[in-house]
Amino acid sequence: DARVTQTPRHKVTEMGQEVTMRCQPILGHNTVFWYRQTMMQGLELLAYFRNRAPLDDSGMPKDRFSAEMPDATLATLKIQPSEPRDSAVYFCASGLGLNTGELFFGEGSRLTVL
Amino acid sequence: SQQGEEDPQALSIQEGENATMNCSYKTSINNLQWYRQNSGRGLVHLILIRSNEREKHSGRLRVTLDTSKKSSSLLITASRAADTASYFCATDAQGGSEKLVFGKGTKLTVNP
Repeated sequence: DARVTQTPRHKVTEMGQEVTMRCQPILGHNTVFWYRQTMMQGLELLAYFRNRAPLDDSGMPKDRFSAEMPDATLATLKIQPSEPRDSAVYFCASGLGLNTGELFFGEGSRLTVL
Repeated sequence: SQQGEEDPQALSIQEGENATMNCSYKTSINNLQWYRQNSGRGLVHLILIRSNEREKHSGRLRVTLDTSKKSSSLLITASRAADTASYFCATDAQGGSEKLVFGKGTKLTVNP
């Protein structure tokens, strides 16, 4: 049963600490997306990769956020330093691009920054 | 920024009734998708409708698309308590883009 795996599921940290969230996309998928979900803003697209190459990170605060795909089985989203306003659920999703359009989402990483 | 906006924001119905959710979007699209999210879980793809299609069915789901009005609707027939979830429409950010932009969703509650 192929699925997108995200770790950690929950993270509580203090302001100023570094946070790294990890995602294992579905094997064979060539697109990976990071979204952030909050009550106020809904789902916001942060970053997007195709074949591991970053194509768009315009939705991401550049000064503190970074997204990478060190290999085809791992995508990371790093926040350094974290701030209380970063508290949200972060979702990773993968897909086959324009071939199907459908995205498969992980269960999310719920981040609380105190 | 949101491309799609769902309406209503919340909907409460009785089991067995039909639920209709609407989505409006702003720019031209290649396709529109509907997703479901149970509380505390990730989003799950329900159905995709292409810009050259007007209606699509999947089980108890019926989706319509009116590109002239830039709107779509999702109908769930004979609703069940297990249909309780939030429903989101998503559109390609620019026609033909792989990026999906989501609305804020409709929270559906189906009362037993």
